[in-house]
Amino acid sequence: QKEVEQNSGPLSVPEGAIASLNCTYSDRVSQSFFWYRQYSGKSPELIMSIYSNGDKEDGRFTAQLNKASQYVSLLIRDSQPSDSATYLCAVNDNAGNMLTFGGGTRLMVKP
Amino acid sequence: DTEVTQTPKHLVMGMTNKKSLKCEQHMGHRAMYWYKQKAKKPPELMFVYSYEKLSINESVPSRFSPECPNSSLLNLHLHALQPEDSALYLCASSQARTRGYEQYFGPGTRLTVT
Repeated sequence: QKEVEQNSGPLSVPEGAIASLNCTYSDRVSQSFFWYRQYSGKSPELIMSIYSNGDKEDGRFTAQLNKASQYVSLLIRDSQPSDSATYLCAVNDNAGNMLTFGGGTRLMVKP
Repeated sequence: DTEVTQTPKHLVMGMTNKKSLKCEQHMGHRAMYWYKQKAKKPPELMFVYSYEKLSINESVPSRFSPECPNSSLLNLHLHALQPEDSALYLCASSQARTRGYEQYFGPGTRLTVT
């Protein structure tokens, strides 16, 4: 049984701070890793994909992958109240079309 | 363009009704998905179509019937649903075998079964 674990939160950070979201996964053959942002009542939006060990930066977002330790993280710099949402981690083993989602972490950025 | 469209946005139906949800993408993606999402839970996979063929059915009750008329369209036919089927129904699409299967979601259909 493939598992993806996230702290459900809420993670509360002040405006302008760095928010750090973490995700661990159980299946060592996982190859592709994704972060989705989901606002309340809306659908998930893909914000980051990462496939290789190390860091990947896109604007205020940085995804970090460590396959040896089986974790992936998302850093949000200069957090804004508009970043308040649930962040879903998802992994794929590239053997098929199935994503395994974590339970999501609720982020609250306070002005 | 990473747009997946879904209609209707909202749907209220009785337990004896028959209705359909529709999904469309024009990104040339060859895999399309139906998910069900309950409040405060992650999306739960229902069906996967790959190259217009049903490749995954996650033991979904037969009151949900998927259909893929062509590579751009995906339908979900609903019949004799139960109140516990009320949820957000999400369609997604991806390249079938490239880019790590990045999936792009549509806005969803909020379904209420009365």
